[in-house]
Amino acid sequence: DTAVSQTPKYLVTQMGNDKSIKCEQNLGHDTMYWYKQDSKKFLKIMFSYNNKELIINETVPNRFSPKSPDKAHLNLHINSLELGDSAVYFCASSHNRDTALHFGNGTRLTVT
Amino acid sequence: DQQVKQNSPSLSVQEGRISILNCDYTNSMFDYFLWYKKYPAEGPTFLISISSIKDKNEDGRFTVFLNKSAKHLSLHIVPSQPGDSAVYFCAASGQGGSEKLVFGKGMKLTVNP
Repeated sequence: DTAVSQTPKYLVTQMGNDKSIKCEQNLGHDTMYWYKQDSKKFLKIMFSYNNKELIINETVPNRFSPKSPDKAHLNLHINSLELGDSAVYFCASSHNRDTALHFGNGTRLTVT
Repeated sequence: DQQVKQNSPSLSVQEGRISILNCDYTNSMFDYFLWYKKYPAEGPTFLISISSIKDKNEDGRFTVFLNKSAKHLSLHIVPSQPGDSAVYFCAASGQGGSEKLVFGKGMKLTVNP
């Protein structure tokens, strides 16, 4: 009964490929997020959705496209993968925008 | 431009003693602060938070202190337990909530039995 689950856990792919990471939460939260943890270990927000609407889009290349089919899911699609995209991507959710985030266990993306 | 800084990468303490984890921030607009704990291969887990209208918040063995004038907060764990060994992230927000959190780079705490 994982609260925030993301798949896959590991993703190894070649430059130029397109890949997706899926995220689902069963907490009934209405806000979901994607964070990126880079090689320097900083966690940085990429996107935030509230009730399926995009509310935060940080300076992320437009090769990254989030999609929220419903408020329990927020998927991340990445086109034309580059070496610099290698990182751990965390999905998170919260009950409205004012409460603590619940994170998934991360997806380690390696681009070769 | 690190707005949230955890200057010590690691801390090692003995079981039963106090662990003090420090965090500094530069953005005076931050008004909500959180601590997260992270075990290897897992996502960060929320630990405790404090809003800028308070200078202390306590939850069991965990206490967070906020010094707004110094732009400094600290997490005290008393008594420390081996299960507390993890990476601790300090985070801050300027919108009174968890939206658009800015994280520090984390600090690894090791509690020795």
